[in-house]
Parts: sequence; C-alpha cells; structure tokens
Amino acid sequence: NAGVTQTPKFQVLKTGQSMTLQCAQDMNHEYMSWYRQDPGMGLRLIHYSVGAGITDQGEVPNGYNVSRSTTEDFPLRLLSAAPSQTSVYFCASSYKVSGANVLTFGAGSRLTVL
Amino acid sequence: AQRVTQPEKLLSVFKGAPVELKCNYSYSGSPELFWYVQYSRQRLQLLLRHISRESIKGFTADLNKGETSFHLKKPFAQEEDSAMYYCALGLAGFNKFYFGSGTKLNVKP
Repeated sequence: NAGVTQTPKFQVLKTGQSMTLQCAQDMNHEYMSWYRQDPGMGLRLIHYSVGAGITDQGEVPNGYNVSRSTTEDFPLRLLSAAPSQTSVYFCASSYKVSGANVLTFGAGSRLTVL
Repeated sequence: AQRVTQPEKLLSVFKGAPVELKCNYSYSGSPELFWYVQYSRQRLQLLLRHISRESIKGFTADLNKGETSFHLKKPFAQEEDSAMYYCALGLAGFNKFYFGSGTKLNVKP
C-alpha cells in the first residue's frame, strides 16, 4: 500500500492563480481531510469528507473547495490564491481502531503564494 | 467551542531526564484524544491514543477529565525523541480533529 499520496510536494503560485492539490489513498478509508500547518498554529482543518459525494467545512474553509467523487481521491482547490494561503498542506485519511478514529497523513505539500 | 492548548512551544531536556508535554482541551462531549509526532523529514504519525491506554516508545498519557488534560510523559528522554509533538482532540463520531499548536521537544546529549 502506498498509503496517502499528495502531489505536488512543492508549488509556487502568484496571487490570483488557481491550482489543485491532489490527494489519493489506497486503504479504502471512508474519511479524508485536509489540514494546513502554519508556524505557531498547529494543524487546522480546512475541509473533510465522510465518504464519496459528501464533504463538509472545517475550521478554515474560506478560499478552498473540495470534492469527493471517489473513495480514493480528495482534491483541494484554490480558486484564487492569496499570500495568506502560503502554508504546508496535509491530507489525511482515517480509520477506526478499537473505536477511535486514527489519522494517516500524507507527506505534505508546501505552497508559496507570491 | 473545541480547543486544544499546548502551552510550551519548545521543551529542552537532557538525555535521561523526565519529560512531560502538556496538553489541555475544552470539549463538552466525550473526547477522543491523541498524540501525534513528526520526526525530522518524516510524516506526521500517531504516537498514542487515550482509548488504548498503551505505552509507545516509553511514552504514556493519561486522560484526566476533571482537569481536561492529556499530558504526555516519559521517565527517561532519549535523543531520538527529539521531534514535534501535537496533541489532538477528535470529536466522537464526527471524524473532526482539532490540533494543538505543537511542542518541539529537543533532547540534548
């Protein structure tokens, strides 16, 4: 199993450009989510999905869109990038172990918006 | 509102010394609490979770509902424990997780 795969690993955008961060998992996990990691702020939940066709907002959803057409894929779209979206983005999928959900993370995508 | 607080940004200890990373949470429901760790150049990974009451790599954490705390402890720190540690609160049944701001543990030789 590859686990959770994120692409690209690094990206530089100009303000106003759009892009999609890709996330795929091969573990048949129902739950997937996107976090951003900023210094001093830890990880903050952007959007999450409890299954194909179902998505919901997290703590910081503004400026981001998601969709979940398949169990495996959960792309994150930036429609019009802003410098405030410079961050490291993590995709995670989750499964239940003895009644507690456990997150499996991707390697992260570092985004810089100029 | 749900919140996870890790008051220490950086914790430096010498090898062999005890270590305690603090975590406090606020949540009115039944919490699922976790510690995740990120070693240098590695992915964020689960260290331990309260429901299993296990010891991983010598670390333990006890959920104290009265004090709403889930502090991570290890009696004798090792250099390989140097990493970034995140406390996380999972909302039971919703698969939403809230993370603290993280504590960087530096174990000196």
